[in-house]
Amino acid sequence: TQLLEQSPQFLSIQEGENLTVYCNSSSVFSSLQWYRQEPGEGPVLLVTVVTGGEVKKLKRLTFQFGDARKDSSLHITAAQPGDTGLYLCAGVRDKIIFGKGTRLHILP
Amino acid sequence: NAGVMQNPRHLVRRRGQEARLRCSPMKGHSHVYWYRQLPEEGLKFMVYLQKENIIDESGMPKERFSAEFPKEGPSILRIQQVVRGDSAAYFCASSPGTTGNTEAFFGQGTRLTVV
Repeated sequence: TQLLEQSPQFLSIQEGENLTVYCNSSSVFSSLQWYRQEPGEGPVLLVTVVTGGEVKKLKRLTFQFGDARKDSSLHITAAQPGDTGLYLCAGVRDKIIFGKGTRLHILP
Repeated sequence: NAGVMQNPRHLVRRRGQEARLRCSPMKGHSHVYWYRQLPEEGLKFMVYLQKENIIDESGMPKERFSAEFPKEGPSILRIQQVVRGDSAAYFCASSPGTTGNTEAFFGQGTRLTVV
């Protein structure tokens, strides 16, 4: 069973559009992280959200942690081709547990 | 401050051979985590080690796989008698403390191909 479910698995949209990626779990985590992974590279941490209801912004990216600390979302405004990549959510306890990721492709 | 260093970046082994993957954590980090990633998949937890101790190996296959993090030197993930299904990218991450309190940093991975 997958502890963290990400949706959608694949997303292909036009440059300039907005999108939201979801990460859901039945378990509570001490924090939740979002990573981006480029082909042939390791994941790079984008953000950590800790408090239920917390919202963090990173330029055009907005991350939200659910009130119950079981789910999170990543919203990208005005997507650009440079946003293309694999986005992974991860729940943190004593170790980091990853979802399967959302593969995002932005068409120019 | 060098990041997490993994070597080799690419490793090709014939079925039945042994594969040794190395991970040098960031300076000052005493916690190491190993993950496996299959194509089009997320990262699957394998093992969590501190210096000279295995803390959590719940993700390790019961046979052929072992990991160590000695007092001196890099952490080693060892796969004996490799099979084609072992082909994957193996990532190592390190942190100064448990990830519940601190950030973990990932290496660039070792891509193992079993032929």
